[in-house]
Amino acid sequence: GENVEQHPSTLSVQEGDSAVIKCTYSDSASNYFPWYKQELGKRPQLIIDIRSNVGEKKDQRIAVTLNKTAKHFSLHITETQPEDSAVYFCAAPPAGGYQKVTFGIGTKLQVIP
Amino acid sequence: DTGVSQNPRHKITKRGQNVTFRCDPISEHNRLYWYRQTLGQGPEFLTYFQNEAQLEKSRLLSDRFSAERPKGSFSTLEIQRTEQGDSAMYLCASSSIQLTSGNTIYFGEGSWLTVV
Repeated sequence: GENVEQHPSTLSVQEGDSAVIKCTYSDSASNYFPWYKQELGKRPQLIIDIRSNVGEKKDQRIAVTLNKTAKHFSLHITETQPEDSAVYFCAAPPAGGYQKVTFGIGTKLQVIP
Repeated sequence: DTGVSQNPRHKITKRGQNVTFRCDPISEHNRLYWYRQTLGQGPEFLTYFQNEAQLEKSRLLSDRFSAERPKGSFSTLEIQRTEQGDSAMYLCASSSIQLTSGNTIYFGEGSWLTVV
C-alpha cells in the first residue's frame, strides 16, 4: 500500500496570511491526489483534488500543486479566514484502485483573527 | 440527501456489550470503506469492500470486529465485547472506482461510540 507523509502537523497563521500544507507519497504510479477538510465533530469533506496530468489546480482561495518527480503535492490557502480553521488531510490512493486508501496524519490549521 | 448515511449517529454502551453500526453508501458506489477516528488523529483504515467482497482488513483490527456487505449495497460493522479503547468515531465512506481517473471518497457523518 501507499505511504503518505503530511506536514506540518499544526499550523497557526494570522488572518489574511497564506497557509501551505505538504504531503509526500511513495507510490510513483499514484495519479489522483485529494485534500479533505474536517471541522470539529464533522465528517471529512473533499475540498479540492488534482489528477496527475496537471501540475496545479485552483478553486478561489485554495490551490493544489503537484510535483510528480519529487512525489509531493501541496495545499495552498490564500487570504486565510477564521472559518478555514480545521484539520486538513491528504491522501494518495494507489493507482489501479485495488488497495486500501490511507490518509495523512492531518494538519490542524488555526487562523488567528 | 443522497450522500453516505450512517446510523446510529451516537451510541453509548457498557463494556462487554456488542454494538452494530450500519452504513448506506451513495447508490451505485461499488466500493465501501470503514475507518476509525479518535480525537486528534486521522482516519485509520479498518476494512473495505468492492461490491460484496471484503478485499482487505487492517491487521490492527482484532477478531472482535467484523464487517459485512451482503448484497453489495449497505454494510454493517459489528464490535463484540466492547472495550473502552473502542471508543471512537467510526466513519464509513464510499466511492465509485474509476481505474483511469481516480477514486474520490465520500464520507458519512460518522457513528460516535462511547464505551463506559
